[in-house]
Amino acid sequence: DAGITQSPRHKVTETGTPVTLRCHQTENHRYMYWYRQDPGHGLRLIHYSYGVKDTDKGEVSDGYSVSRSKTEDFLLTLESATSSQTSVYFCAISESTVTSGRISSYNEQFFGPGTRLTVL
Amino acid sequence: AQSVTQLDSQVPVFEEAPVELRCNYSSSVSVYLFWYVQYPNQGLQLLLKYLSGSTLVKGINGFEAEFNKSQTSFHLRKPSVHISDTAEYFCAVSEANAGKSTFGDGTTLTVKP
Repeated sequence: DAGITQSPRHKVTETGTPVTLRCHQTENHRYMYWYRQDPGHGLRLIHYSYGVKDTDKGEVSDGYSVSRSKTEDFLLTLESATSSQTSVYFCAISESTVTSGRISSYNEQFFGPGTRLTVL
Repeated sequence: AQSVTQLDSQVPVFEEAPVELRCNYSSSVSVYLFWYVQYPNQGLQLLLKYLSGSTLVKGINGFEAEFNKSQTSFHLRKPSVHISDTAEYFCAVSEANAGKSTFGDGTTLTVKP
């Protein structure tokens, strides 16, 4: 199994509080992703990173921010949690080949075990 | 922009019967295609992938999928399912040079004895 851990695994918090979720990998993969999973919506990309300090928004980025100061860690922050952010959050990693600044191949993603977040 | 449609949200089937889970995608460029499986309370894991070459792709646990470019489909099949195949299945598409995937909403496969 790919070495991906997420912490915490479960969290209950109150509306308006800040929350940070951590994803840690031991695979040295270039790409890291944060998704949320909600019934009927599959997985939706929140933010992703293609290198240290290189991040980009996904389709549901409002209310979330990310940081990646080291290859192995990718943090997801909810600055002020809302009930609509109650969800299961998954981190994923992927390795791609980059040649002359362009992605020349793309491989599958490996997923962490998930974090169940409840915002009351 | 790429998009994925999984045509069935739930598929009930009896044990040892064949099954097909349908996936259509939309993209204006070359794509890579994936099927993932998620067992209860776990993360997703790769079943199979199409990057290039043969359009018939074989994966783990006896699953296979066929890439059909003209119909923009990537349907997943298994000739004989087991109780242990009960899970949620996700189709995903990635445009070449995108570095990210778009996932379908998932299909829940329930295998009954």
